Amino acid sequence: GENVEQHPSTLSVQEGDSAVIKCTYSDSASNYFPWYKQELGKRPQLIIDIRSNVGEKKDQRIAVTLNKTAKHFSLHITETQPEDSAVYFCAASEVTGGGNKLTFGTGTQLKVEL
Amino acid sequence: DAGVTQSPTHLIKTRGQQVTLRCSPKSGHDTVSWYQQALGQGPQFIFQYYEEEERQRGNFPDRFSGHQFPNYSSELNVNALLLGDSALYLCASSTRDPGWGELFFGEGSRLTVL
Repeated sequence: GENVEQHPSTLSVQEGDSAVIKCTYSDSASNYFPWYKQELGKRPQLIIDIRSNVGEKKDQRIAVTLNKTAKHFSLHITETQPEDSAVYFCAASEVTGGGNKLTFGTGTQLKVEL
Repeated sequence: DAGVTQSPTHLIKTRGQQVTLRCSPKSGHDTVSWYQQALGQGPQFIFQYYEEEERQRGNFPDRFSGHQFPNYSSELNVNALLLGDSALYLCASSTRDPGWGELFFGEGSRLTVL
């Protein structure tokens, strides 16, 4: 089955700096890569996703890049703000007619310091 | 739009007992997935239901079972509870049309097994 590795496990940045979180996946059949933000005691919320037919996607301060050959994908947050502090999870899935089963990474605790 | 709703929010059980967790999907969604999130870990896929049938299953024992009702709501049942079953159980809904798309998570049911 799919295996997703995520690094780093913790990341501390100064407000206004950029943050980068990296993930690798093992199943070349995976074609959908979402990123979720989870604040303490809250539900995971989708912040951005990318499909395998696209190499990069951007939404304001957040961008995701995908390298299918290397099986790597990364989350980039620019101009970080204190409210960006949370745990971020990457995930991978082979979306088929049979369903959408996400395999999650182990999470990155991002702390944005003033 | 109420989003994905789960009940109960918290519950405490003892080893060997059985538990039922409930989920109502987001309006317009027909597919429900269940995930187990242990403390400090990423969510792990348990199973996915649509058209009232289990369509995909993760690496969980038969003690974990589920059901989907005609109104798309779902239940997760866990029998013979073990201490290791203590976790946050997340329900996520989505729609098969078009192409599965985003999973919307509920706030979860936190199960403590003593």
